[in-house]
Amino acid sequence: KQEVTQIPAALSVPEGENLVLNCSFTDSAIYNLQWFRQDPGKGLTSLLLIQSSQREQTSGRLNASLDKSSGRSTLYIAASQPGDSATYLCAVGGGADGLTFGKGTHLIIQP
Amino acid sequence: GAVVSQHPSRVICKSGTSVKIECRSLDFQATTMFWYRQFPKKSLMLMATSNEGSKATYEQGVEKDKFLINHASLTLSTLTVTSAHPEDSSFYICSATRDGRNTIYFGEGSWLTVV
Repeated sequence: KQEVTQIPAALSVPEGENLVLNCSFTDSAIYNLQWFRQDPGKGLTSLLLIQSSQREQTSGRLNASLDKSSGRSTLYIAASQPGDSATYLCAVGGGADGLTFGKGTHLIIQP
Repeated sequence: GAVVSQHPSRVICKSGTSVKIECRSLDFQATTMFWYRQFPKKSLMLMATSNEGSKATYEQGVEKDKFLINHASLTLSTLTVTSAHPEDSSFYICSATRDGRNTIYFGEGSWLTVV
């Protein structure tokens, strides 16, 4: 059964820093990996989607990488801003089996 | 891009009543829809997978008689929480896949509070 682990569980950094969130998964047979953002009381916002054949995706200040063979993904956030404060979720799978989520990294960017 | 709409976004109901959450694919036919639940400070967990026109497949530990899922058309799946209790208060979110593709599209989620 797929297991997804996110490290760290929580992170607090000053504004402007670059940071890396980590995601690891136990079964490399995935269709894709997605990073989501969840704000308190809100729904999920999809940030980046990496297909299994891809190595990375970029959107603005966000860059996500995927190393399927080692079961790892990282989400890089450049020049962090207070508005980036949220919980970031990693999810793997796709196809007919749905997604398996990690527990998330709770990120706080200090002004 | 593909859009999945979920309604209501927030609902408060009394203990013992039933509440229905709708999940619609707006611009594509969703042969498979998924329902997830997230308890506070926990990860999203898959509850069930539903394919259009057939019974939903529930994950272990999810009561199928309590969480009724209907996927009567290619664009609509509903989750009904029957005889709701305060412990059913949670964030419920649906997702859908397009026929033959592996990308999953998510609804906005529904916050259920049972009082």
